[in-house]
Amino acid sequence: EPEVTQTPSHQVTQMGQEVILRCVPISNHLYFYWYRQILGQKVEFLVSFYNNEISEKSEIFDDQFSVERPDGSNFTLKIRSTKLEDSAMYFCASRTSGNQPQHFGDGTRLSIL
Amino acid sequence: GEDVEQSLFLSVREGDSSVINCTYTDSSSTYLYWYKQEPGAGLQLLTYIFSNMDMKQDQRLTVLLNKKDKHLSLRIADTQTGDSAIYFCAETASGTYKYIFGTGTRLKVLA
Repeated sequence: EPEVTQTPSHQVTQMGQEVILRCVPISNHLYFYWYRQILGQKVEFLVSFYNNEISEKSEIFDDQFSVERPDGSNFTLKIRSTKLEDSAMYFCASRTSGNQPQHFGDGTRLSIL
Repeated sequence: GEDVEQSLFLSVREGDSSVINCTYTDSSSTYLYWYKQEPGAGLQLLTYIFSNMDMKQDQRLTVLLNKKDKHLSLRIADTQTGDSAIYFCAETASGTYKYIFGTGTRLKVLA
């Protein structure tokens, strides 16, 4: 069964450094998402992306964050200058169209030192 | 604003039924979902229900929706040790496809 894949599984970065989290959505999916889960807290929506542009974003998704679909397969989340509070599990998700459910990857655990 | 609440823990004996509850506040929710998260893993879609339905059954899983009370439940029949995980309910409100997740319920199945 096709699945969403995320790399790396764990990323350790110094505070202030830039980090790029990568996702390969399911190949025929059109809508892409990033969520994050701080340890012990809820899974929170960050951003949705469709037709090469952001369709919705949360208050968390400030100017430090950006998303890109650089080619036909990858979907990336960049954090420009990481802070300690960016430490979390980041999940990528994708779906086809209409009201089909989102399918999630296994996540990237981001640790900021 | 939108909010989704779940009880934090549930413990059942192997072979019993588990019932995980969820309440939500957005009456315009169109779809409601259940996801399972095993340790160190991602969110696995279990099942989902459209808001005009009352019930959906899928093998050992039964979803009940009480739209008047904004209450959603997931029943797992014949619970097995492999069902031990965190279960999240999520909703999508009308006009948006982002998910609002609940706090997650940690299900522990005792042998």
